[in-house]
Amino acid sequence: DIQMTQSPSSLSASVGDRVTITCQASEGIRTYLNWYQQHPGKAPKLLIYAASNLETGVPSRFSGSGSGTVFTFTVTSLQPEDFATYFCQQYGYLPLTFGGGTKVEI
Amino acid sequence: QVQLQESGPGVVKPSQTLSLTCTVSGDSLNSGYFYLSWIRQPAGKGLEWIGRIYTNGVTNYNPSLKSRVSISVDASKNQVTLKLTSVTAADTAVYYCARDTELIVGDFQYSYMDAWGKGTTVTVSS
Repeated sequence: DIQMTQSPSSLSASVGDRVTITCQASEGIRTYLNWYQQHPGKAPKLLIYAASNLETGVPSRFSGSGSGTVFTFTVTSLQPEDFATYFCQQYGYLPLTFGGGTKVEI
Repeated sequence: QVQLQESGPGVVKPSQTLSLTCTVSGDSLNSGYFYLSWIRQPAGKGLEWIGRIYTNGVTNYNPSLKSRVSISVDASKNQVTLKLTSVTAADTAVYYCARDTELIVGDFQYSYMDAWGKGTTVTVSS
């Protein structure tokens, strides 16, 4: 299985901060990587697909980059509704696998 | 707008079979451009992909669960069913179904879970 290592596992930030999360794949997966946001008690929501493509309706303060084994996810100006847990997910190989998550807290 | 809804018993006894149904509305399982995936999440933990099914019945399973999992489709009802046998406490989790959209453009593949059910909590307990 492809192991997805996310860092950090949690971070504290303030409204207006720039936040960056890293996801590392155990093998190269081209740009076959998605990012999701999950609020407590809610289902995950797709934000970024294929490493850098913004899902329709998602604010432009969210962005993603990377290819191969190292990927980054950035929120340029954190808003109150952005405090949540973020997961990366690879689809280069089956089984589909997720990173362990990054909890963004105030 | 597509909606997915998981349903099934909230409590399953150890060693029994967990059975959940995902009902899709606003899209058709016959549309041919997406899989229907099942994902689970133990309380306070990460996401684990269980497996998926395509409209033609082709399935992919997570090897870690493959011996206990089966996923089937009833396209006429727009429903997908997950069965997990011989459950233990380790199978206690929130179970989600998700539309797993697949697009191929040239030699590049897009694949993402762009619609999710709200999830259903399953507790394995006697």
